[in-house]
Amino acid sequence: DSGVTQTPKHLITATGQRVTLRCSPRSGDLSVYWYQQSLDQGLQFLIQYYNGEERAKGNILERFSAQQFPDLHSELNLSSLELGDSALYFCASSVASAGLYTGELFFGEGSRLTVL
Amino acid sequence: DQQVKQNSPSLSVQEGRISILNCDYTNSMFDYFLWYKKYPAEGPTFLISISSIKDKNEDGRFTVFLNKSAKHLSLHIVPSQPGDSAVYFCAASSGGSNYKLTFGKGTLLTVNP
Repeated sequence: DSGVTQTPKHLITATGQRVTLRCSPRSGDLSVYWYQQSLDQGLQFLIQYYNGEERAKGNILERFSAQQFPDLHSELNLSSLELGDSALYFCASSVASAGLYTGELFFGEGSRLTVL
Repeated sequence: DQQVKQNSPSLSVQEGRISILNCDYTNSMFDYFLWYKKYPAEGPTFLISISSIKDKNEDGRFTVFLNKSAKHLSLHIVPSQPGDSAVYFCAASSGGSNYKLTFGKGTLLTVNP
């Protein structure tokens, strides 16, 4: 158990719909990262938040947005869903403050999104 | 442009033998490298890492080697055990204020009893 909790574990929805994925980081971790894993692909970095503020952005589509709340949990919002958005979405957390970064991220079990 | 490449999608070895998983990278700004292991229906878990100032790091049965001139790293598992069967991801970071990891596509390791 990594200590990172993601909900829901599975989600099936239709094209054009909007979904929200939720992540609770490990206790004490200030950084939350979102990654997408599509079929036969590695984990693609989407976005990182540190203590409520956006810290880094990767290949995140404009239809996707995220935020980190004061209690440090994070939500990833996916809108106008397309078939190609079907993937595993992982959340990870780390302490990740300047000078303490070791690169070790703690991953949740992922949310599997299926768009029909 | 894939900056971290794992060219072998799968590898099969016998229990007790050595498993060698390879990874190549193209971004010379990467200075920290990690290996993650992933079992089905679970998230990736950290296995071992190496900084670019080193060429080897060892942790029990796991050793990571880094060849900066070749932009190549490898993970050695000795001896391999059936429980090591999983997907192994290589990842890299350029450190500093850029905390994001760039992952390869993974190698599925199967250790046969």
